[in-house]
Amino acid sequence: DAKTTQPPSMDCAEGRAANLPCNHSTISGNEYVYWYRQIHSQGPQYIIHGLKNNETNEMASLIITEDRKSSTLILPHATLRDTAVYYCIVRLNSGGGADGLTFGKGTHLIIQP
Amino acid sequence: DSGVTQTPKHLITATGQRVTLRCSPRSGDLSVYWYQQSLDQGLQFLIQYYNGEERAKGNILERFSAQQFPDLHSELNLSSLELGDSALYFCASSARLAGEGEQYFGPGTRLTVT
Repeated sequence: DAKTTQPPSMDCAEGRAANLPCNHSTISGNEYVYWYRQIHSQGPQYIIHGLKNNETNEMASLIITEDRKSSTLILPHATLRDTAVYYCIVRLNSGGGADGLTFGKGTHLIIQP
Repeated sequence: DSGVTQTPKHLITATGQRVTLRCSPRSGDLSVYWYQQSLDQGLQFLIQYYNGEERAKGNILERFSAQQFPDLHSELNLSSLELGDSALYFCASSARLAGEGEQYFGPGTRLTVT
């Protein structure tokens, strides 16, 4: 799986959009970008994933650059409950090999009241 | 609530002992994954089972083993415990064999080895 780089921490004001960047310059053509978050020692929570196109669900939006070397997770109206560590993960979705997720250090997003 | 359950929530035991952690996947999910989260190593994938068979191994120690039963629940056995095995242990499940990457995590078991 390709390596990802994320800022260690970010602040965002409550009610504003939180934009979390992720660099994955060595991503290959068939690797997906996944985002998870972990709220203080709880189990990680799946947020969203994408391959090439931008994606949106009830939790967030994922913007992937045209060259696919970076992406941004957008939480449109951040609340205090969005304070968590956010992990960007790049992985293949084909069979074979180790299928566990590879978590890096992630970005600690702190939502300020 | 992810639908994945883990028991016990907390476990305190002594070095050299053996413990068993239990996981019930979401209804219908055939894949179960085990992860360890410690302060110094972060979240690490240990092992995956699919429909009763081992499918993938990560950084799992030889002292650790797992199995998945016909009813799809899974157990992680940790033996000859050391202080460094103190960690949060998470179980996750997914609907697909090789994973679309959407894994649903349980609340974890916090293991303390004294």
